Amino acid sequence: QQQVKQSPQSLIVQKGGISIINCAYENTAFDYFPWYQQFPGKGPALLIAIRPDVSEKKEGRFTISFNKSAKQFSLHIMDSQPGDSATYFCAASRIQGAQKLVFGQGTRLTINP
Amino acid sequence: ETGVTQTPRHLVMGMTNKKSLKCEQHLGHNAMYWYKQSAKKPLELMFVYNFKEQTENNSVPSRFSPECPNSSHLFLHLHTLQPEDSALYLCASSKEREAYNEQFFGPGTRLTVL
Repeated sequence: QQQVKQSPQSLIVQKGGISIINCAYENTAFDYFPWYQQFPGKGPALLIAIRPDVSEKKEGRFTISFNKSAKQFSLHIMDSQPGDSATYFCAASRIQGAQKLVFGQGTRLTINP
Repeated sequence: ETGVTQTPRHLVMGMTNKKSLKCEQHLGHNAMYWYKQSAKKPLELMFVYNFKEQTENNSVPSRFSPECPNSSHLFLHLHTLQPEDSALYLCASSKEREAYNEQFFGPGTRLTVL
């Protein structure tokens, strides 16, 4: 019940296209869903996060869509750029208390110029 | 840079060696974390420290021994490791240990156990 399943493992998108990465969770108590971005040789960095009181959150070209009934959330990258090429991790946790983040397996995104 | 530094960046050690990884954060945070990152696997939380006190040990083998002398420094002492312990070890910090606090990661130490 603690797992977060992420797909696909790798994704290739043409420059200007839309990149979509999906995550699914089991624990209905989860109420905090961040996405982290990791470039080679660097640690992960928080990209965007959502709480389940909204179904969508947008920051620039990055959007999280959240479906509470399906226990799924996804990251959409609009107008994908070569600089977006990185590994993306979804995660989930409970806000209340000192709960740890549960991470997905990661998606290696490549944007072809 | 994120404000979290890790040394060394690369480490090769034999199974009988003893080595230590160092992490330092310059962000004034109170919580620090060790994670293990292996290929095609989720980030694995190893240890959490909050105000220098260990608050989580995620069933980590005793050959990994953490130390947090103050809120700015975190060490991971390594002893009698196995080849399967080869991975990227990431340190992170956050203002508080609750999950909604953004975690700031260092660049990691790439560990190879021969």
